[in-house]
Amino acid sequence: DGGITQSPKYLFRKEGQNVTLSCEQNLNHDAMYWYRQDPGQGLRLIYYSQIVNDFQKGDIAEGYSVSREKKESFPLTVTSAQKNPTAFYLCASSIWGLNTGELFFGEGSRLTVL
Amino acid sequence: AQSVTQLGSHVSVSEGALVLLRCNYSSSVPPYLFWYVQYPNQGLQLLLKYTTGATLVKGINGFEAEFKKSETSFHLTKPSAHMSDAAEYFCAVSEAGRTGANNLFFGTGTRLTVIP
Repeated sequence: DGGITQSPKYLFRKEGQNVTLSCEQNLNHDAMYWYRQDPGQGLRLIYYSQIVNDFQKGDIAEGYSVSREKKESFPLTVTSAQKNPTAFYLCASSIWGLNTGELFFGEGSRLTVL
Repeated sequence: AQSVTQLGSHVSVSEGALVLLRCNYSSSVPPYLFWYVQYPNQGLQLLLKYTTGATLVKGINGFEAEFKKSETSFHLTKPSAHMSDAAEYFCAVSEAGRTGANNLFFGTGTRLTVIP
């Protein structure tokens, strides 16, 4: 089955540690995205990538980093510089260029900083 | 600039009652409009979308929405609520003719509770 796989589903981190969230897709989509979801705030775009080896900052990129070395993979690193990292993180992908607005989402990763 | 307003962060309905979730948008150009649904601890799933053509669009699970340009609205309805409809619903807008991930704007969501 085609889809997006995020791992881990739950992650606990101590303050000051970097953590990397995995996102893999087998939909052959060009574009991939990372969103952060907090209660009552909807989804906020962290980073997105249109093609391999290229990515752009979204609205809240500070304290995060990404890479796009393969079309299928778009990992997100939450660095120690992110002041409030506890949140639900969603990875998504889409066909680039059609602007249909249809995103395909993974099941999310919930990060808790202890 | 585009934006989305969802009126009511929480909506409760009785099982079998009408579901109405409100969404108003702001866009300087013709919009594309979407409703996504999110079940607890899961990602979002596209429920329905309006791009062009018929203003009344039907989606999965018996939901539909009507694009009303004069009211800048895209309210989501379902005639009879089912317990399985309990979830969070997000309205989103993008600008027709443009590409780009930063061209999709989400509302803050409405949590639907269905009372047995």
